[in-house]
Amino acid sequence: DVKVTQSSRYLVKRTGEKVFLECVQDMDHENMFWYRQDPGLGLRLIYFSYDVKMKEKGDIPEGYSVSREKKERFSLILESASTNQTSMYLCASRYGATYNEQFFGPGTRLTVL
Amino acid sequence: DQQVKQNSPSLSVQEGRISILNCDYTNSMFDYFLWYKKYPAEGPTFLISISSIKDKNEDGRFTVFLNKSAKHLSLHIVPSQPGDSAVYFCAAKRPGGGADGLTFGKGTHLIIQP
Repeated sequence: DVKVTQSSRYLVKRTGEKVFLECVQDMDHENMFWYRQDPGLGLRLIYFSYDVKMKEKGDIPEGYSVSREKKERFSLILESASTNQTSMYLCASRYGATYNEQFFGPGTRLTVL
Repeated sequence: DQQVKQNSPSLSVQEGRISILNCDYTNSMFDYFLWYKKYPAEGPTFLISISSIKDKNEDGRFTVFLNKSAKHLSLHIVPSQPGDSAVYFCAAKRPGGGADGLTFGKGTHLIIQP
């Protein structure tokens, strides 16, 4: 079974803090993704990575950055957390571009006070 | 511009009956569609998918129908069971064959009543 893990299930941070969300997949997938889920808005793509050290902006990249130094790990960084970044963050991975199914982690519920 | 639309935020169905969840899309270049199921405090799990070259795909109690001319797809669950209560997301693969993500609808909360 594909396993995607996220470092924290729940996280509480203060406005202005730098926040790191970590995601690890164990199936040697090439592509990894970060989404956020908000009520009434569904899942929205923040960033994705198609290979190590490669990254592309998604639909809502403002206020976020990412890092992929190793194939299995994809980090989402909030440089200076703001209250409007309170959300559920979901990481996903996919074997490669010719595959369609993405496998999701359990999510991190981030609250910014 | 919302390219994948799920116009029903919630749907209530009696146990044992058929649940029909609908999804519309605007981009005729989408070439693959997926349905995900999500329980609270968990990540979405893949349920069923369909290629744009097909009009039906069936997997046990779940069937997805695609009407390309209407840019509409639907997920049928029959018979509905209590464990089916969850939020269902329709997703479409972006055209171009690249490594980018899926475009999701806003979700429909399915409630199965005993």
